[in-house]
Amino acid sequence: AQSVTQLDSQVPVFEEAPVELRCNYSSSVSVYLFWYVQYPNQGLQLLLKYLSGSTLVKGINGFEAEFNKSQTSFHLRKPSVHISDTAEYFCAVTGGGNKLTFGTGTQLKVEL
Amino acid sequence: DGGITQSPKYLFRKEGQNVTLSCEQNLNHDAMYWYRQDPGQGLRLIYYSQIVNDFQKGDIAEGYSVSREKKESFPLTVTSAQKNPTAFYLCASSPTSGGWGIEQFFGPGTRLTVL
Repeated sequence: AQSVTQLDSQVPVFEEAPVELRCNYSSSVSVYLFWYVQYPNQGLQLLLKYLSGSTLVKGINGFEAEFNKSQTSFHLRKPSVHISDTAEYFCAVTGGGNKLTFGTGTQLKVEL
Repeated sequence: DGGITQSPKYLFRKEGQNVTLSCEQNLNHDAMYWYRQDPGQGLRLIYYSQIVNDFQKGDIAEGYSVSREKKESFPLTVTSAQKNPTAFYLCASSPTSGGWGIEQFFGPGTRLTVL
């Protein structure tokens, strides 16, 4: 079985400031990790994914995430946020052959 | 333009009525999924199908039913047995069959409100 914990339900940040959205997972097997973004009343869009290889993964819209196996984390970062980044962000994990398990989401609110 | 369509975007129904949500994809994906989203609870898997004419229950299948007669289509019926059906429903597909290691592509969702 696997699980995902997103520690922060809401993260407020000022425009042009850096942001980190935290994600921790547990799994008994090797994992694939994903970050999705959801704008209001829309479906989910993939930001980035870690399947193997380099632990620093770059995604769309200037986001990146680092896979840390020892800390079982996959935190999402952006050095300078824009008002358009306001959305809900979901971390998800699969063991490959198992279902995709989602975290409860982090609402990022970018303020002027 | 390839993608996943869900219809309708908003749906209102009276308590005790069955309702069917549509999901169509033209991505030629083998696998399709239905999720339910409630505030603060993330996405929960209702049903999934990895091949035509076959589907499996997810974590919260009670009160729901599906069919997969065509590769492109995976409709979800919310039955009167579902105790609390008001939610946002998301359909997804992925190009893999028999595995989950590839990203899922999501439709725009249907918001169901039961009055």
